[in-house]
Amino acid sequence: GAVVSQHPSRVICKSGTSVKIECRSLDFQATTMFWYRQFPKQSLMLMATSNEGSKATYEQGVEKDKFLINHASLTLSTLTVTSAHPEDSSFYICSARATLDFTNTEAFFGQGTRLTVV
Amino acid sequence: DQQVKQNSPSLSVQEGRISILNCDYTNSMFDYFLWYKKYPAEGPTFLISISSIKDKNEDGRFTVFLNKSAKHLSLHIVPSQPGDSAVYFCAASLNNAGNMLTFGGGTRLMVKP
Repeated sequence: GAVVSQHPSRVICKSGTSVKIECRSLDFQATTMFWYRQFPKQSLMLMATSNEGSKATYEQGVEKDKFLINHASLTLSTLTVTSAHPEDSSFYICSARATLDFTNTEAFFGQGTRLTVV
Repeated sequence: DQQVKQNSPSLSVQEGRISILNCDYTNSMFDYFLWYKKYPAEGPTFLISISSIKDKNEDGRFTVFLNKSAKHLSLHIVPSQPGDSAVYFCAASLNNAGNMLTFGGGTRLMVKP
């Protein structure tokens, strides 16, 4: 299957700082990438849909000024958690959909990023 | 409103026996369903999927059954192996939403040797 690489896999930052998480599709072009968040013992929750060359679409309740998403190329989307707080500590996962793939297939997921804000 | 639900948070099964994980959904517009396996601190790994036009899909030890009238699907793993121990998520998508997925809450499967 296709490979999606997420970096870093683990990051610890201080409150008030910003953290950038990268999501790359390694062997295919992704017009659309999705960012999910998982709290301990809870399900994956969609945060936003990232479309190459346009603004991201955020789910209800997700602060777009806090979670900045940039999808500058067909192989890279970034999620920046700005002015991080301890409650932002979570597991963030991206997934990607291949260009011109209009059929429903499995979503390709990155390996996730564990963010801890201290 | 949780559109995809997995009512059993955990399941314990003896090695070699069948594991049955259940998933219910409320949105009748969902037409594609997937099962993922997830280990702690890792991204979900795709297992098997099923389109709403089918009621069964089989891949090796994994079989997914879909009952559209009941809005219910299940994942059968047989025979279960200790390496199957993980959290299993079912997910659903709408035809026009590409791979935007709505996940269930997950079921932790423990397969005992």
